[in-house]
Amino acid sequence: QSVLTQPPSVSGAPGQRVTISCTGSGSNIGTHYDVHWYRQLPGTAPKLLIYGNTNRPSGVPARFSGSKSGATASLTITGLQAEDEADYYCQSYDSSLSGWVFGGGTKLTVL
Amino acid sequence: QLQLQESGPGLVKPSETLSLTCNVSGGSTRNRSYYWGWVRQAPGKGLEWIGTIYYSGATYDNPSLKSRLAISVDASKNQFSLKLTSVTAADTAVYYCARQAGSLLEWNWFDPWGQGTLVIVSS
Repeated sequence: QSVLTQPPSVSGAPGQRVTISCTGSGSNIGTHYDVHWYRQLPGTAPKLLIYGNTNRPSGVPARFSGSKSGATASLTITGLQAEDEADYYCQSYDSSLSGWVFGGGTKLTVL
Repeated sequence: QLQLQESGPGLVKPSETLSLTCNVSGGSTRNRSYYWGWVRQAPGKGLEWIGTIYYSGATYDNPSLKSRLAISVDASKNQFSLKLTSVTAADTAVYYCARQAGSLLEWNWFDPWGQGTLVIVSS
């Protein structure tokens, strides 16, 4: 059971918009800790997609955006493309566990 | 461009010690701006933070692994290492090393990551 809760799967057609949620609690997202997002293609290492709740590393398309409100963070992907099909993970810090925690991951299927 | 590469045995017997090394190139483990971490992923499962080390040798361990875990850094070789004792089948996973960055430690994210190395615990 992950400390951060993500939907196991989401799907959308090419060109559509999808949102992946990441729900935490008062010891992690619900407090002042930042949320970061990663994309993992099959058989490869995770890659940073969003850091500090809303920031995109160089090279990440503007189609990817992040937000945070209360104890929930969200990753939104607009203009879905077939290459976006992957697993997505959120990550934050948990003060009760004194360590970094990940969401259980969400598998995005492009229909 | 910073690159990380994990190395170590791909097969470890139950009750023995899992030892992995992460070689860092294109950057220095002495850089005071960064921390260095280990993350693992059991087959078909999600990501689990294992532990983190700073250039000074200060370590931060996952409480669930703390009693079996030792992370060290060797600045002269520009690498950091992981040792996990008394392994069981539950420790079978792909092990990743990664650089951690962020304005404050708790705000750290992981980037970049090594390609990962699969470690199977089996007799």
